Amino acid sequence: SQQGEEDPQALSIQEGENATMNCSYKTSINNLQWYRQNSGRGLVHLILIRSNEREKHSGRLRVTLDTSKKSSSLLITASRAADTASYFCATFMDTGRRALTFGSGTRLQVQP
Amino acid sequence: DAGVIQSPRHEVTEMGQEVTLRCKPISGHDYLFWYRQTMMRGLELLIYFNNNVPIDDSGMPEDRFSAKMPNASFSTLKIQPSEPRDSAVYFCASRKFYGYTFGSGTRLTVV
Repeated sequence: SQQGEEDPQALSIQEGENATMNCSYKTSINNLQWYRQNSGRGLVHLILIRSNEREKHSGRLRVTLDTSKKSSSLLITASRAADTASYFCATFMDTGRRALTFGSGTRLQVQP
Repeated sequence: DAGVIQSPRHEVTEMGQEVTLRCKPISGHDYLFWYRQTMMRGLELLIYFNNNVPIDDSGMPEDRFSAKMPNASFSTLKIQPSEPRDSAVYFCASRKFYGYTFGSGTRLTVV
């Protein structure tokens, strides 16, 4: 079963605009990770945020985590056509299965 | 490093045939994961290994699925007999600490 649900399922923006994707999850986590998947390819790790962190930056990416609301957001600033891909959040739980559980993904289309 | 290597990239087989998917993880990574991706169910964890030992196979859908990791540099996922509902993209991933490195996947079509 999927731990994370992402919102929106699809997003279309113009190049240069910012893109925000949201992820909600159900159980206590150790960390939350975001991955990108280009069409027909494997997933690529983008960023990890630990449960005791609230915000993290990496280049044009900004991730926030609100453990009280069990939610996270990924912001891509100044988007480019090359950012067109599906984005997945994945949670790593404190106990039990020591493996990532992936959300349903957001399909981002950046129009040039 | 060549990354996680999966083979074949595409596999088309007839229902009832045996299918074997292969994975070579990144050297030094001590965890290996098999995931399946479909439009309906998204990314599902099938099984994972730690130091070549299967730790959790609760995601393996049926006895028709089996996975092995005979050594640190090789793993297989076998489906016998295959069925049309097994059609999906199968990913192998490995990790040492937290971030996973995924292979390019095997697109399996069972007709």
